[in-house]
Amino acid sequence: DTEVTQTPKHLVMGMTNKKSLKCEQHMGHRAMYWYKQKAKKPPELMFVYSYEKLSINESVPSRFSPECPNSSLLNLHLHALQPEDSALYLCASSGVGGSGYTFGSGTRLTVV
Amino acid sequence: AQKVTQAQTEISVVEKEDVTLDCVYETRDTTYYLFWYKQPPSGELVFLIRRNSFDEQNEISGRYSWNFQKSTSSFNFTITASQVVDSAVYFCALYLNSGGSNYKLTFGKGTLLTVNP
Repeated sequence: DTEVTQTPKHLVMGMTNKKSLKCEQHMGHRAMYWYKQKAKKPPELMFVYSYEKLSINESVPSRFSPECPNSSLLNLHLHALQPEDSALYLCASSGVGGSGYTFGSGTRLTVV
Repeated sequence: AQKVTQAQTEISVVEKEDVTLDCVYETRDTTYYLFWYKQPPSGELVFLIRRNSFDEQNEISGRYSWNFQKSTSSFNFTITASQVVDSAVYFCALYLNSGGSNYKLTFGKGTLLTVNP
């Protein structure tokens, strides 16, 4: 299995809603990542988990809350988002030295 | 600080033409990795290649080839005999240690390649 699976593929949520994005990999990778990508821009790193511990938080607002329940799963909890948070959210995982750095197909989020 | 520059914002070619996408990177580290990804309109980032800083051999994979030159800090990507299906945004990225045991992947701004029939 060489895939990173993200659900849902599309999500529309109101500014008062709480929702979660899910990411799963079964490649034995111990590093997992969340990226945000706005239209016509490169992906921007949000969070890095290494061995299930948060190792990098790129000054992301607290309305985004990551969680890594185990080595295969990565969640991103969303609460009180703003319309400007609408974007493609990408999950990725990798092995040592960035080996097998694989992205999921993303969740296209729209905040209304 | 690390930086990746893709100077070509958009390139348009006619099918069967060869096209080269440029990538220039900056880092003081001696150990790093360079990546190329393809992002078609569907949005998924498709891995194309990963090259470590100690391996300057050029690589060819079908119609794709990569030219890594440490002397000029460049990692250029050439598509030979382009096809319409090659139309996508292509990202070059630099992977290196950002402190302690943390590693980051820094992307260039991307090059939008349009291949016209």
